[in-house]
Amino acid sequence: KAGVTQTPRYLIKTRGQQVTLSCSPISGHRSVSWYQQTPGQGLQFLFEYFSETQRNKGNFPGRFSGRQFSNSRSEMNVSTLELGDSALYLCASSTGQGSNQPQHFGDGTRLSIL
Amino acid sequence: GENVEQHPSTLSVQEGDSAVIKCTYSDSASNYFPWYKQELGKRPQLIIDIRSNVGEKKDQRIAVTLNKTAKHFSLHITETQPEDSAVYFCAASIWTGTASKLTFGTGTRLQVTL
Repeated sequence: KAGVTQTPRYLIKTRGQQVTLSCSPISGHRSVSWYQQTPGQGLQFLFEYFSETQRNKGNFPGRFSGRQFSNSRSEMNVSTLELGDSALYLCASSTGQGSNQPQHFGDGTRLSIL
Repeated sequence: GENVEQHPSTLSVQEGDSAVIKCTYSDSASNYFPWYKQELGKRPQLIIDIRSNVGEKKDQRIAVTLNKTAKHFSLHITETQPEDSAVYFCAASIWTGTASKLTFGTGTRLQVTL
């Protein structure tokens, strides 16, 4: 089975721009969660999607948004980019059925803001 | 919200020795505790997890223990090998009935020396 696939792997943007990141979950997984990883803040939860619905959201500003499609693929969007948004953005997928199913991570998208 | 503390932040052991990483959590409703290993430049990989109805779980050289009363859980690696060198993250999750959210510890950088 193919793992979680994230595209692109690397991205360089400037302040004020917006960006869209993509995540394809493991086949059969219906839940996708997004995390931001930085040296200072560690791994922080952004949001979780299941069946095209946002089920949970972390403490991030409204500039961070996402969506999920009917094939379970998910996109994350960040608008009006700030220098502090530079990070590794990871998505993880799980079956999403029932309590706390194991999450499997992709390789991430490394976003650099100039 | 949930808060997870992880200690130590760095750990150096000699090959063949044991390594122990400890985490505490704040929300007694947390019921799922996974551990992830992240090698440099790679994705976090789930290495073991434990649910709140179990006190201990073992998988070859890796074991996890959970003390619900004290709200802490630990990762034990025996007979460490150089390939165990990585950053290890603990996490805690609460299932609300419709959604779950992983809260991560700040990570432990384990170095296994020859």
